[in-house]
Amino acid sequence: NAGVTQTPKFRVLKTGQSMTLLCAQDMNHEYMYWYRQDPGMGLRLIHYSVGEGTTAKGEVPDGYNVSRLKKQNFLLGLESAAPSQTSVYFCASRSTGVPEAFFGQGTRLTVV
Amino acid sequence: AQRVTQPEKLLSVFKGAPVELKCNYSYSGSPELFWYVQYSRQRLQLLLRHISRESIKGFTADLNKGETSFHLKKPFAQEEDSAMYYCALNWGAQKLVFGQGTRLTINP
Repeated sequence: NAGVTQTPKFRVLKTGQSMTLLCAQDMNHEYMYWYRQDPGMGLRLIHYSVGEGTTAKGEVPDGYNVSRLKKQNFLLGLESAAPSQTSVYFCASRSTGVPEAFFGQGTRLTVV
Repeated sequence: AQRVTQPEKLLSVFKGAPVELKCNYSYSGSPELFWYVQYSRQRLQLLLRHISRESIKGFTADLNKGETSFHLKKPFAQEEDSAMYYCALNWGAQKLVFGQGTRLTINP
């Protein structure tokens, strides 16, 4: 039982490049979330999904897109990376019946 | 609008001293609040939730609706309590939003 797995763990991008972060969970959870963690800012919600095929904006959605084509996967895309998107990204999932969220190990992204 | 506020970015106390990490929230309905903890090189994990009214690792947190607070307390800090602590609010039953976090350091 792997829980929540994020791919990749580290990445360096040049400004303007695009990339996709993958979050996979094997707990059959309905809800999935993408956060970014920045010093002094805490965890800020980027986008979230309450089920397969649905997504919604969080607190800081600009510059990101997401997709949830399969229940177990939640993808976060950066179409044109900017240095302001340098951060640690966390994915989380939880069940509708249990409020506890389970987190991935994080992806450290640097945009130069 | 910030829905969860943790006013202290850093908190340092000595081993054996009491610890209180502050959390205030803004929410019009019945709030569902949590404390999450991130130890060094580990994943963020749930510490406790207000509904269960339990004590985990000696920590407790009481929801005060009048003061809109959910402070985390421990009477005697231990070195292994050093970590990043996040207060979180279940917003609208679906969104889970976090505060800015407090880095707790326990000095020997």
